[in-house]
Amino acid sequence: SQTIHQWPATLVQPVGSPLSLECTVEGTSNPNLYWYRQAAGRGLQLLFYSVGIGQISSEVPQNLSASRPQDRQFILSSKKLLLSDSGFYLCAWSVAGIESPLHFGNGTRLTVT
Amino acid sequence: LAKTTQPISMDSYEGQEVNITCSHNNIATNDYITWYQQFPSQGPRFIIQGYKTKVTNEVASLFIPADRKSSTLSLPRVSLSDTAVYYCLVEGDDKIIFGKGTRLHILP
Repeated sequence: SQTIHQWPATLVQPVGSPLSLECTVEGTSNPNLYWYRQAAGRGLQLLFYSVGIGQISSEVPQNLSASRPQDRQFILSSKKLLLSDSGFYLCAWSVAGIESPLHFGNGTRLTVT
Repeated sequence: LAKTTQPISMDSYEGQEVNITCSHNNIATNDYITWYQQFPSQGPRFIIQGYKTKVTNEVASLFIPADRKSSTLSLPRVSLSDTAVYYCLVEGDDKIIFGKGTRLHILP
């Protein structure tokens, strides 16, 4: 069966520090991968999605970036965090090419201080 | 920009049937309609998906009229644990956008 791993679960970082959140999927090949962010009490904002290795689509211009170095690995990064980067970050995957629902990880709660 | 419109919030009582309607006037021919449930501090969880008419699974039913411009998620006999945010999405390509969802509050 397929599983998605996302870490860390919680993170407290000072303003200006770098960020690296990692997401890996097991049990499937060539998944579509997604990063979403959810601010407190708000809806989910699509940040990045990827349909293949090295293929990243960015939805929101900001100081975050994403990379997909391997088929089932998706990394969210920042060189310098802002206070506004605080939120709940969720990674998700779906089967590519068909109407497959999203499967989410457990999320990372990021607090920038 | 999300392709769907749904009520911001709804209240209901335990044991009742709850129907949440979603409007998607600009749905495309190849779009599917998918509903997710989200509890606080968790990722959304897939509930049900359909293309037309009626789909039923162990937790919900999805009703889609012939013109597909709306859909209704039906939750039978809700309990307190069904208190959550429910998202309606139309999905037809790889870019999946969530709207604001409906905050469902179940009262005892």
